[in-house]
Amino acid sequence: QKEVEQDPGPLSVPEGAIVSLNCTYSNSAFQYFMWYRQYSRKGPELLMYTYSSGNKEDGRFTAQVDKSSKYISLFIRDSQPSDSATYLCAMGRGYQKVTFGTGTKLQVIP
Amino acid sequence: DGGITQSPKYLFRKEGQNVTLSCEQNLNHDAMYWYRQDPGQGLRLIYYSQIVNDFQKGDIAEGYSVSREKKESFPLTVTSAQKNPTAFYLCASTEGQQSYGYTFGSGTRLTVV
Repeated sequence: QKEVEQDPGPLSVPEGAIVSLNCTYSNSAFQYFMWYRQYSRKGPELLMYTYSSGNKEDGRFTAQVDKSSKYISLFIRDSQPSDSATYLCAMGRGYQKVTFGTGTKLQVIP
Repeated sequence: DGGITQSPKYLFRKEGQNVTLSCEQNLNHDAMYWYRQDPGQGLRLIYYSQIVNDFQKGDIAEGYSVSREKKESFPLTVTSAQKNPTAFYLCASTEGQQSYGYTFGSGTRLTVV
């Protein structure tokens, strides 16, 4: 079993829809959780970073962490065609290396 | 603007040849990392360096080598010992020694011909 599981998609939604992206993990020692967005043939860019269970909001994006269920989510409200990209979850602990999910490809259709 | 510059964007390697991928950052970040990205496998850590003149192997270091002679530079050499080098290579950096909040470069696509 992989430490981090992420559905690869692709996920296609109409413009304006609410998107839910999810990851599960098995290592209860993970302390911090991140979401990266990666456009085709580009490097990932950090979208959200959270350190504890609960919600964190930034504009149209909300990151949610449930440590008891070992489950993290990224919600995108009012999705736009420019949100079409691959979304990577990532998690780590202390100064140890980060473990990435395989990424979910999202397509927002105008 | 501060950031990470990777070059070249595309690189072609013949069998048995060594190639070097360049990574330069002007963010004054302490730590630098090399990842390999393959379809369906996510990002895998090759090497990382937290200070100048020091670096550690990641999960898939075999067939690769690095150097860190300057804070801003962390080149990666893909040697002929790497049997399956075709992949997208990403360089990243972080401020301090923490592993979260990477800044990534735009990547180098390496293809064996």
